[in-house]
Amino acid sequence: SYVLTQSPSVSVAPGQAARITCGGNNIGSKRVHWYQQKPGQAPVLVVHDDSDRPSGIPERVSGSKSGNTATLTISRVEAGDEADYYCQVWDSGSDHPGVFGGGTKVTVL
Amino acid sequence: EVQLVESGGGLVQPGGSLRLSCAASGFPFSTFIMNWVRQAPGKGLEWISYIRSDSTTIYYADSVKGRFTISRDNAKNLLYLQMNSLRAEDTAVYYCARGRVASSHYFDYWGQGSLVTVSS
Repeated sequence: SYVLTQSPSVSVAPGQAARITCGGNNIGSKRVHWYQQKPGQAPVLVVHDDSDRPSGIPERVSGSKSGNTATLTISRVEAGDEADYYCQVWDSGSDHPGVFGGGTKVTVL
Repeated sequence: EVQLVESGGGLVQPGGSLRLSCAASGFPFSTFIMNWVRQAPGKGLEWISYIRSDSTTIYYADSVKGRFTISRDNAKNLLYLQMNSLRAEDTAVYYCARGRVASSHYFDYWGQGSLVTVSS
């Protein structure tokens, strides 16, 4: 089954940029989606289809993809951005197509 | 406003059964794909099941296949997850999530979750 790999943690100072990566075999052929989850809360979609932002998500949140890695970038990080972030793909053609990465904890210093 | 509200969680003994429900409102439920996603305590998200709007296509994760059954009642705007032969490793918060498809399938709205604890 398809595997997505994320670094367990990222630390960033306020005002700097946080970059969260998601790796997977031939990920360039798949669309990557990203979710933010704060403690005790349900996940929230922040980017879909590699780089599209749902309404209400600020422009300083962006997604990109290059080679075998997708990246979620949060510019000008604020204390409220501290959360777990998960990437997700839909592995069409598989009998169990829903796949999440292991998650990355973003800590604002 | 889109709302998804799970119910039916609780404490169950190993080998027991439980049925979760997800009440949907604020959107045309019968036209949307729905999913169940779970999260064990302190762990990451795990997708476990998908059901197409007309129930003609269903998928399960290997971890629950043969034990869990997803279903829906479009007349009542309800999504279900019947969980049988429960194990300790099924202990988790269970979320229902609405599916969207643009170039790929993702989850645009989530419920608040329902905690299932499997323990003797």
